Amino acid sequence: QQPVQSPQAVILREGEDAVINCSSSKALYSVHWYRQKHGEAPIFLMILLKGGEQKGHDKISASFNEKKQQSSLYLTASQLSYSGTYFCGTPETQGGSEKLVFGKGTKLTVNP
Amino acid sequence: NAGVTQTPKFRILKIGQSMTLQCAQDMNHNYMYWYRQDPGMGLKLIYYSVGAGITDKGEVPNGYNVSRSTTEDFPLRLELAAPSQTSVYFCASSRAHESGYTFGSGTRLTVV
Repeated sequence: QQPVQSPQAVILREGEDAVINCSSSKALYSVHWYRQKHGEAPIFLMILLKGGEQKGHDKISASFNEKKQQSSLYLTASQLSYSGTYFCGTPETQGGSEKLVFGKGTKLTVNP
Repeated sequence: NAGVTQTPKFRILKIGQSMTLQCAQDMNHNYMYWYRQDPGMGLKLIYYSVGAGITDKGEVPNGYNVSRSTTEDFPLRLELAAPSQTSVYFCASSRAHESGYTFGSGTRLTVV
């Protein structure tokens, strides 16, 4: 089942902070985060595992609350380069194999 | 470092034609995936593979076929192209199911 992301879109000025949320109706043990710039491929940012919080690169970090089946991505002191669409991905098991199901994405625009 | 290479980058097909989208990775990853991306819908999994000779259907497999004869290559075959298959197709690979995905640059396909 596709995870739900909120908000759908965010517009910031350079230097402002943003939070992007990802929630699932199923129990989670990991969450992936990706960023995609217009016309490009998604780029892996980080993976959060059950019980862990991981900091990524620049000033982007994330948290994972497995009880609430939620993850949040935090973008601090945003830069112009942070603009793009952010996707969370949650694993689903099928026939003993795992694959990621992605949310619909959150479009982040950072203006000067 | 080539990573994941997809060809072609763009293609226009007529209804009923067939084609193969090529995907190759040089990272010795066992796991490979095909996703399609439609505006505002996120990434939908078409097929995936956990190793050479092993493939399985994803969420939207109808109208597509795959094969995985080597670790490196994972081609996607479209038979009898339909306008509903107009999309951007991304191939991805990962070292393990709990690893980040590396995406190719995508193939933009239009069926007219």
